[in-house]
Amino acid sequence: DIQMTQSPSSLSASVGDRVTITCRASQDISNYLAWFQQKPGEAPKSLIHGASSLQSGVPSKFIGSGSGTEFTLTISSLQPEDSATYYCQQHKNYPRTFGQGTMVEIK
Amino acid sequence: EVQLVESGGDLVQPGRSLRLSCTASGFTFGDSGMTWVRQAPGKGLEWVAFIRSKIYGATTEYAASVKGRFTISRDDSKSIAYLQMNSLETEDTAVYYCTRTVYSGSYYYFDSWGQGTLVTVSS
Repeated sequence: DIQMTQSPSSLSASVGDRVTITCRASQDISNYLAWFQQKPGEAPKSLIHGASSLQSGVPSKFIGSGSGTEFTLTISSLQPEDSATYYCQQHKNYPRTFGQGTMVEIK
Repeated sequence: EVQLVESGGDLVQPGRSLRLSCTASGFTFGDSGMTWVRQAPGKGLEWVAFIRSKIYGATTEYAASVKGRFTISRDDSKSIAYLQMNSLETEDTAVYYCTRTVYSGSYYYFDSWGQGTLVTVSS
């Protein structure tokens, strides 16, 4: 199985900051990488697929990049509503596997 | 608007069975794959099972942790995806989400999610 590792596990940043989360795959997954946002008590929400393709309705402040084994999710200007846990997931092979999550808090 | 509504979650004893349903609306259900993802209390997301659309043979994929115990199926006439869970274990305790799984032409990806249904396995 492909292992997905996110860093950091948590971060705290101020409103307006640029925030970056990293996701590493244990083997080359090309651009088959998705990102999800989950707020407490809610279902996950799909943000990005194919490493950089924004899901319909997702604000352009969410930017995905990377290929191969290293990927990033950047929130260009952090807002209070962005406080959530973010997960990466590879969609190259079965079983699909997720990173452990990165909790983003607002200072 | 795409809507997915899970149901069937309950408190069950270890070794028993349960069937979850995911009722879909707002899109052509028969054209979409469907996936079940679960989340144990306080833990991260775990992919469970996937079924392709009939045009791709309605073939299935399973996580190793559930293979042989869980069965994913679909009824396109009712726009429902099912997850039959047998021989339940305490480790299966989780919120179970269904997701619409879209084929881009080169890969499948998750689109919309339901609100989840809680399965608790305990004696």
